[in-house]
Amino acid sequence: AQKVTQTQTSISVVEKTTVTMDCVYETRDSSYFLFWYKQTASGEIVFLIRQDSYKKENATVGHYSLNFQKPKSSIGLIITATQIEDSAVYFCAMRESDSAGNKLTFGIGTRVLVRP
Amino acid sequence: ETAVFQTPNYHVTQVGNEVSFNCKQTLGHDTMYWYKQDSKKLLKIMFSYNNKQLIVNETVPRRFSPQSSDKAHLNLRIKSVEPEDSAVYLCASLRGPGNTLYFGEGSRLIVV
Repeated sequence: AQKVTQTQTSISVVEKTTVTMDCVYETRDSSYFLFWYKQTASGEIVFLIRQDSYKKENATVGHYSLNFQKPKSSIGLIITATQIEDSAVYFCAMRESDSAGNKLTFGIGTRVLVRP
Repeated sequence: ETAVFQTPNYHVTQVGNEVSFNCKQTLGHDTMYWYKQDSKKLLKIMFSYNNKQLIVNETVPRRFSPQSSDKAHLNLRIKSVEPEDSAVYLCASLRGPGNTLYFGEGSRLIVV
């Protein structure tokens, strides 16, 4: 069974600094996909960035990047040059390649507050 | 730009009533989902449909029933709501296994 764990409940950072969020996962599948999503105060959930398990290079999109450590089953999210609007809840998620219904399992989320 | 549309966005009802949430996606995706997000923000999958066919049915009470008329629509009916059904119900769609999930804006249910 899939399991995704985010241990940090909330993080507070000063604007323009870097924030790092942890996520570890459990899977028996050799092929899987990892995602990070952001939920804003309005409730909207948007996709940020993904990492395919077979790719060694860490994914980067804009000021989001991933720290993929496959031996540790870890996929951390790094946000550089944070802005006030980065304040949100961040969810880590995983999908196994042979998952029935392509089911996506989410962690419990990490709330990030970016303050001036 | 929103491509997964949910209605209603907000609904208050009494215990025992029936509620329906509608979802439509304009992305041409084959797979649609219903997720439940509780007060602690935990996102749990409820159902998954692929091209009108039920694929995943997580352990949810029988009072919940999904309905799909075509691959672009997936509705959720709750036959007799209970207080613990108060949550945000999120519809989502997916093109394929390696692709990202697109969410609707959610339907908040409050059971009084």
